[in-house]
Amino acid sequence: DIQLTQSPSFLSASIDDRVTITCRASQGIHTNLAWYQQKPGKAPKLLIYAASTLQTGVPSRFSGGGSGTEFTLTISSLQPEDFATYFCQRLNGYPIAFGQGTRLDIK
Amino acid sequence: QVQLQESGPRLVKPSETLSLVCSVSGGSFSTYHWNWIRQSPGKGLEWIGHVYYTGRTKYNPSLGSRVTISLDTSKTHFSLRLTSVTAADTAIYYCARDPGFCDTKTCYTPGYNFDIWGQGTMVTVSS
Repeated sequence: DIQLTQSPSFLSASIDDRVTITCRASQGIHTNLAWYQQKPGKAPKLLIYAASTLQTGVPSRFSGGGSGTEFTLTISSLQPEDFATYFCQRLNGYPIAFGQGTRLDIK
Repeated sequence: QVQLQESGPRLVKPSETLSLVCSVSGGSFSTYHWNWIRQSPGKGLEWIGHVYYTGRTKYNPSLGSRVTISLDTSKTHFSLRLTSVTAADTAIYYCARDPGFCDTKTCYTPGYNFDIWGQGTMVTVSS
């Protein structure tokens, strides 16, 4: 089965910072990757699918990139509501896999 | 807009059956895959399985034959049954919709992209 490994696991940053989270797949998955944001006590929220397509309603400060085995989620200018945990997830593959998560805290 | 809501017992005894229902309101069942996903501190997020609006199902092989997902014939809700539960099945259980997706080359259904989620329900397995 394909494994997804996110780095870093924890990240501290300040408002208006630019941050990048990486997700590495154990085998090539083309652009079959999604990113989710999860806040405490809430369900995950889909941000990006097909590696770089922004889900409807998601702010443009979020962007995704990559293909094959290495993918990135970038937040161009952190806002207070962006402090959360982020997960990557393999799409269009069975069984699907999630990354272990990256917790983004305020510095 | 479409909303999902999980319901069911919050406490299940070991070796018994966990049963949850996901009520779907505000939209159509058609053309979507309807999923169960769980989240625990030890295992993270884990996809359990899905049911297509036609009734066709697919499950995570790690759960073997313990899991059944079914669609209500009125197409207003879908259900999860997980048999022979242990403490390892303690988790927050979410239901979620999969609309599929298209990239530059083709469209995928299921896409396993989950665009709408229920709020989640915590289920504890304990005697």
